[in-house]
Amino acid sequence: QVQLVQSGAEVKKPGAPVKVSCKASGYTFTSYYLHWVRQAPGQGLEWMGIINPSGGITTYAQKFQGRVTMTRDTSTSTVYMELSSLTYEDTAVYFCARVTFGSSGYYFDYWGQGTLVTVSS
Amino acid sequence: QSVLTQPPSVSGAPGQRVTISCTGSSSNIGAGYDVHWYQQLPGTAPKLLIYESNNRPSGVPDRFAGSKSGTSASLAITGLQAEDEADYYCQSYDSSQSGVVFGGGTKLTVL
Repeated sequence: QVQLVQSGAEVKKPGAPVKVSCKASGYTFTSYYLHWVRQAPGQGLEWMGIINPSGGITTYAQKFQGRVTMTRDTSTSTVYMELSSLTYEDTAVYFCARVTFGSSGYYFDYWGQGTLVTVSS
Repeated sequence: QSVLTQPPSVSGAPGQRVTISCTGSSSNIGAGYDVHWYQQLPGTAPKLLIYESNNRPSGVPDRFAGSKSGTSASLAITGLQAEDEADYYCQSYDSSQSGVVFGGGTKLTVL
């Protein structure tokens, strides 16, 4: 069965970077794009960007450009999301999600369990 | 401020029918991009509920139904059950932002 398993919770100081991993299993890793979505406490879902595991091509939401880097390791079927220069507003649960293309657009059919990143001094 | 607009909350008694709206614009829903819906139970990851406006993944009860018209979409839940109490999000693609957009979420309370 398809599974996306993320790394554990992190506590970081303001200004530090954080790197979250998402290990995929149960399907061909390079056949599906993976996205990152975050959710601040009590807030809605916010799209961060996408990575194509096949070629490593990325597209980032404008809000995060220059501060986020998404990479992948095909040998371990793992994608990574690194966010730099953390501020208190980056405290959130970060999700990876697999995407399936539909007739007009795409949707998230599988999600990781989420990784809580807390920014605290 | 979310690109897609949802009511913050809706409520209904067990057995009743509720609807959740999702209003977009000419650069997303109005441009013909599909709308998808997710259910998020407290402390868990979102779960795909409706895809491509009106399709249910395997395992989702037919009490859940989606529709789309013009620049808006709706999620209807009939025969409300206590287990339906959750947050619901709509999602689409926006050409002006060149990326995925979500609604702000709607909290469903089963009275």
